[in-house]
Amino acid sequence: GAGVSQSPSNKVTEKGKDVELRCDPISGHTALYWYRQSLGQGLEFLIYFQGNSAPDKSGLPSDRFSAERTGGSVSTLTIQRTQQEDSAVYLCASSPGTALNSPLHFGNGTRLTVT
Amino acid sequence: DQQVKQNSPSLSVQEGRISILNCDYTNSMFDYFLWYKKYPAEGPTFLISISSIKDKNEDGRFTVFLNKSAKHLSLHIVPSQPGDSAVYFCAAEHNAGNMLTFGGGTRLMVKP
Repeated sequence: GAGVSQSPSNKVTEKGKDVELRCDPISGHTALYWYRQSLGQGLEFLIYFQGNSAPDKSGLPSDRFSAERTGGSVSTLTIQRTQQEDSAVYLCASSPGTALNSPLHFGNGTRLTVT
Repeated sequence: DQQVKQNSPSLSVQEGRISILNCDYTNSMFDYFLWYKKYPAEGPTFLISISSIKDKNEDGRFTVFLNKSAKHLSLHIVPSQPGDSAVYFCAAEHNAGNMLTFGGGTRLMVKP
């Protein structure tokens, strides 16, 4: 497909387990972003990639969260030792560049539920 | 601290009437503003944007107004249609930054 693809669409995990969330951006998009939306909240910035490097990790809520991007394409967000407060919809977005006037294209998100 | 705020969590409007969604921001460095629309179980989609050098941008039924002195922007939808029912997010960015800062969203319900 032509859009941003995220998998899985839903993930239920037990507290303390590790999870990996995957994002396939639009082909050719150099910038990739992870956001999350907790219940009833707005979109919270987590991390941004330009190519394979992450110049801005300021939004990662704790050291249990990490992300990588390989080949300038697919990105994986990993949450270790999940906690109940990690339950949220995790959204990935990509854009052609980071200049203004480059609207983000979002995937449909991964709904993570930590029990 | 919330740099972008949407103080109305929900708004209900009759079909055919005007919908006005409001957004306030605190960071004077923001110089580009966007509105995104989100349906359930889907990611947000870009709707309309405005640069800080303008005070109005129009695209069909959608118009965004920017009042820099008040640090306030609004989205007008005229006429409103049932298919416009969704959550609308205001977002802002500045030239020196790399990411969008989003508001908490406003759920718009357009009644037939």
